[in-house]
Amino acid sequence: SQTIHQWPATLVQPVGSPLSLECTVEGTSNPNLYWYRQAAGRGLQLLFYSVGIGQISSEVPQNLSASRPQDRQFILSSKKLLLSDSGFYLCAWGQNEKLFFGSGTQLSVL
Amino acid sequence: AQSVSQHNHHVILSEAASLELGCNYSYGGTVNLFWYVQYPGQHLQLLLKYFSGDPLVKGIKGFEAEFIKSKFSFNLRKPSVQWSDTAEYFCAVNAGSGYALNFGKGTSLLVTP
Repeated sequence: SQTIHQWPATLVQPVGSPLSLECTVEGTSNPNLYWYRQAAGRGLQLLFYSVGIGQISSEVPQNLSASRPQDRQFILSSKKLLLSDSGFYLCAWGQNEKLFFGSGTQLSVL
Repeated sequence: AQSVSQHNHHVILSEAASLELGCNYSYGGTVNLFWYVQYPGQHLQLLLKYFSGDPLVKGIKGFEAEFIKSKFSFNLRKPSVQWSDTAEYFCAVNAGSGYALNFGKGTSLLVTP
């Protein structure tokens, strides 16, 4: 069966520090992968999606970036975090128009 | 660009009351429609989905949704809510296979005993 792992679960980072959130999927090959952010009062916002290794589409311009170095690995990064980057980040993989979400990372930028 | 609107941000109901959460989308082509639910402290999970066919779709836990193409709507309903239905509900739309899901802002439902 397919599983999705996302870590860390919580993260507190100072403004200006770098960020790396990792997501891996098991039990499937060539999945579509997604990064969403759920900010308070703003719902779920699609940040990046990837249909294959090295293929990243950005939905919202910002100081975050994403990479897909391997088929089942999706990384969300930032060189310098902003206060506005605080939120709940969700990784997801898709199959047949159905999304499976990871457990999320609560990021607090202070 | 696609957009998804959920009209009610916060809903408070008593147990056994009927529920209807509104969802409208703006997209002229064929769409796939979804409702996701996030119970307190848990992951997002799929409640129901519509791809084609019967516009009235039934999901888990007694929920159903009706796709009305002329109104660009996909409202979620439940005849009688329970305390355990307290959660955040998200409507989502995509333009078909391979397209990313766009979510509404969510509706927070609180069911009181």
